[in-house]
Amino acid sequence: GQQVMQIPQYQHVQEGEDFTTYCNSSTTLSNIQWYKQRPGGHPVFLIQLVKSGEVKKQKRLTFQFGEAKKNSSLHITATQTTDVGTYFCAGQGAQKLVFGQGTRLTINP
Amino acid sequence: DAGVIQSPRHEVTEMGQEVTLRCKPISGHDYLFWYRQTMMRGLELLIYFNNNVPIDDSGMPEDRFSAKMPNASFSTLKIQPSEPRDSAVYFCASSLRDYNEQFFGPGTRLTVL
Repeated sequence: GQQVMQIPQYQHVQEGEDFTTYCNSSTTLSNIQWYKQRPGGHPVFLIQLVKSGEVKKQKRLTFQFGEAKKNSSLHITATQTTDVGTYFCAGQGAQKLVFGQGTRLTINP
Repeated sequence: DAGVIQSPRHEVTEMGQEVTLRCKPISGHDYLFWYRQTMMRGLELLIYFNNNVPIDDSGMPEDRFSAKMPNASFSTLKIQPSEPRDSAVYFCASSLRDYNEQFFGPGTRLTVL
């Protein structure tokens, strides 16, 4: 079945450093979504990418969808303490959305 | 809209007891999803419904788990009998279409002693 792998599992950075998480699917995706879960909270939708090679930005966050529509990345520039949380990618396959394991980001102020 | 509503927020029960988790999706959303989240296994899709009909229950761990959606505004996830390994946070989510963003509820933290 469809699998979505996400790396790294954990990332600790100093405030102000950049952060990137990568997502790879075993199958071609129709779209990919990114979610953020704050500690103790629930996943919250950030963005959806649909087109091959698509790049979208939200302030300091940059999202990319690979040309083959099998991988994606989320890059945060100059992290802030408010960026703390777990970032999940979720790949939409033929039938359902499959979540990656998530990357837990912690930040040293 | 109040968003997706789940109850209870916390549940502590003893092994062997029946547990019922409840969810009210966002009005107008055609899809409802039940997830389980643990440190070891991450976020797992248990089952999802389209227009109150179960579409994919391949993620339901075993026969002890069952889910129903009697109408468009209510769903339940039942565990009978519960076991300590069922301890997890259970999320309900809803979406307009299966490929749209999902809106998650606050979750139910279940502890089975």
